[in-house]
Amino acid sequence: DAKTTQPTSMDCAEGRAANLPCNHSTISGNEYVYWYRQIHSQGPQYIIHGLKNNETNEMASLIITEDRKSSTLILPHATLRDTAVYYCIVSASDSWGKLQFGAGTQVVVTP
Amino acid sequence: DSGVTQTPKHLITATGQRVTLRCSPRSGDLSVYWYQQSLDQGLQFLIQYYNGEERAKGNILERFSAQQFPDLHSELNLSSLELGDSALYFCASSVVGKTEAFFGQGTRLTVV
Repeated sequence: DAKTTQPTSMDCAEGRAANLPCNHSTISGNEYVYWYRQIHSQGPQYIIHGLKNNETNEMASLIITEDRKSSTLILPHATLRDTAVYYCIVSASDSWGKLQFGAGTQVVVTP
Repeated sequence: DSGVTQTPKHLITATGQRVTLRCSPRSGDLSVYWYQQSLDQGLQFLIQYYNGEERAKGNILERFSAQQFPDLHSELNLSSLELGDSALYFCASSVVGKTEAFFGQGTRLTVV
């Protein structure tokens, strides 16, 4: 059973912020929210993860709602190279790299 | 470059054959994971090894097996291949206790 729900696809204009939503209403207390992306059949790439606090790194920001039932990945200034499938995954910290990928969101950044 | 190396990049073989896919993890990573990505199933976790020992199993067929060697490289063996085994096979590695996994570029297997 899918633990997360994401839109199938979304478009974003180059240079604008891309906000990718994810619902995870059944998330457990010990589960983190992870985001990965996959650029056209390349290996998935880790982006960011968080437990309950908002997180930011050089690639993106992760906003998790207070009830932890949903989150948003923010790509602050989308570029054409950000076109990819983005996966939102919930996983316990002791799952290590055993990840349950869903269908993800196909993000297309347009000029 | 994730630091995870997979060989070969492409492999074409006939039904009923056996192939071996190889993965070298990032330096220092003790955990290795194998994933399969087919058009109809998406990315599926197959199996995990940690420091030479099998740690977790996912949707791996009995015709498939894997091992991790003392130098930490891993091999995924696929036997009695069927057309439906055609897919991208990814290897990933991670540091102990971390869920951030780093993926290789994959091996594209085509069974004809």
